[in-house]
Amino acid sequence: DTAVSQTPKYLVTQMGNDKSIKCEQNLGHDTMYWYKQDSKKFLKIMFSYNNKELIINETVPNRFSPKSPDKAHLNLHINSLELGDSAVYFCASSQPGTGVNEQFFGPGTRLTVL
Amino acid sequence: DQQVKQNSPSLSVQEGRISILNCDYTNSMFDYFLWYKKYPAEGPTFLISISSIKDKNEDGRFTVFLNKSAKHLSLHIVPSQPGDSAVYFCAASGGSGNTGKLIFGQGTTLQVKP
Repeated sequence: DTAVSQTPKYLVTQMGNDKSIKCEQNLGHDTMYWYKQDSKKFLKIMFSYNNKELIINETVPNRFSPKSPDKAHLNLHINSLELGDSAVYFCASSQPGTGVNEQFFGPGTRLTVL
Repeated sequence: DQQVKQNSPSLSVQEGRISILNCDYTNSMFDYFLWYKKYPAEGPTFLISISSIKDKNEDGRFTVFLNKSAKHLSLHIVPSQPGDSAVYFCAASGGSGNTGKLIFGQGTTLQVKP
């Protein structure tokens, strides 16, 4: 039973289109994240939500809009896609508290913008 | 501004020998360091962590060492097995305005040869 799932796994689209990526976690965690892994393989935080409230927004273009309908879901909508948006997007979740903030990652969504 | 760096993009070792993966960081306020392992087409999975107040943490074949004065940590895998072949990411959390985000290095690809 998958802990953090993402759909779709692969997404190929044209420049200028709008697309969404969905993420769901069944771990009961309060916090969810979106990370982007670019062509240089860096994994960088984009957004974080804690119990449906935005807590991290890392200088991401406003074409990217996360939405958290409930604490088990964090979706990512991207408007007016650009070539530079091509990357692998990972969703993650964690249960922050005292101690190490171990995050559990989904399998990733490979977005290709043509 | 890359706060976490893994300067070796790849490492190749023989099965049964020790693998040593290195990581450097710049922010002395980090309070936890984590290692993640990633197989192709999968999300990163948590491997082991260490608190900044410790200098060693061991879990089975995996040991992480932290040298705070040098702002350096390393992951030792002994003995290395072919199934350990993957990309290993070092990550750090904490610092001022701690939001729980992880800051990742760019990864080191480990190949363990049978």
